Amino acid sequence: GNSVTQMEGPVTLSEEAFLTINCTYTATGYPSLFWYVQYPGEGLQLLLKATKADDKGSNKGFEATYRKETTSFHLEKGSVQVSDSAVYFCALRPNTNAGKSTFGDGTTLTVKP
Amino acid sequence: DAGVTQSPTHLIKTRGQQVTLRCSPKSGHDTVSWYQQALGQGPQFIFQYYEEEERQRGNFPDRFSGHQFPNYSSELNVNALLLGDSALYLCASSSTDRDNEQFFGPGTRLTVL
Repeated sequence: GNSVTQMEGPVTLSEEAFLTINCTYTATGYPSLFWYVQYPGEGLQLLLKATKADDKGSNKGFEATYRKETTSFHLEKGSVQVSDSAVYFCALRPNTNAGKSTFGDGTTLTVKP
Repeated sequence: DAGVTQSPTHLIKTRGQQVTLRCSPKSGHDTVSWYQQALGQGPQFIFQYYEEEERQRGNFPDRFSGHQFPNYSSELNVNALLLGDSALYLCASSSTDRDNEQFFGPGTRLTVL
C-alpha cells in the first residue's frame, strides 16, 4: 500500500534560518504530492502541491520538488519566520478522485526570534 | 465561499455512547472524505462518500459509519465509543470534475471519557 515517511521532529530553528523537512513516499503509479500545514487547534491548510515528476510546488516562500527517482518531496524555505511555527504534513493522493490521501506523521517546527 | 464547515467544534462523550459529526463541503464539491487524527499523528483515512454512497473505506471497524445527503453534506457516526476514539475528526471535500485537491474543514475535537 501507499505510505509517507517524514523526518522526525521536533525541529527548532532561529528566525531567518534555512529549513528542510524531508519526505519520502511509497506508492503505486504516480500520485500527486502535497504539503499541508496545521496551526494549533486548527485543521489542515494546503501549503503546496505537485502533480507529476519534476514539478516544483511553491507558496509563501516554501518550495518542494517532486523527485520520482528518489521518491521524495522535501520541503524547503530559505528564511523562516516565527509565524512559520506549526506542524507540517507531507501527503500523497492517487491521481484519481476516488483516491484517499495518505499522510506522514507530521513534523513540528518551532522558530525562535 | 464558506469553505468546508464542520459541527460541532468540540464534543465530550463517555464510553459506549454514540456520536454524530457533520460536514458541509465547499461550494461546488460533490465528494466528502473523513479522516481521524489522533494526537501527535497524521490523519488516517476513514471513508469517502460520492453520490450518497461509500466509495472507499480505510481500516476502521464497522462502528464507524457515514452518510451523504443529496446536497452533498455528510455525517460521520461512531457507535459504542472507546477511549481510543478520542481524536480530531477532519472532513475534506473535493470535486470529481476538477483537479484532485482536497479542502479540509477545521475539524471536530472528540473526547471520550
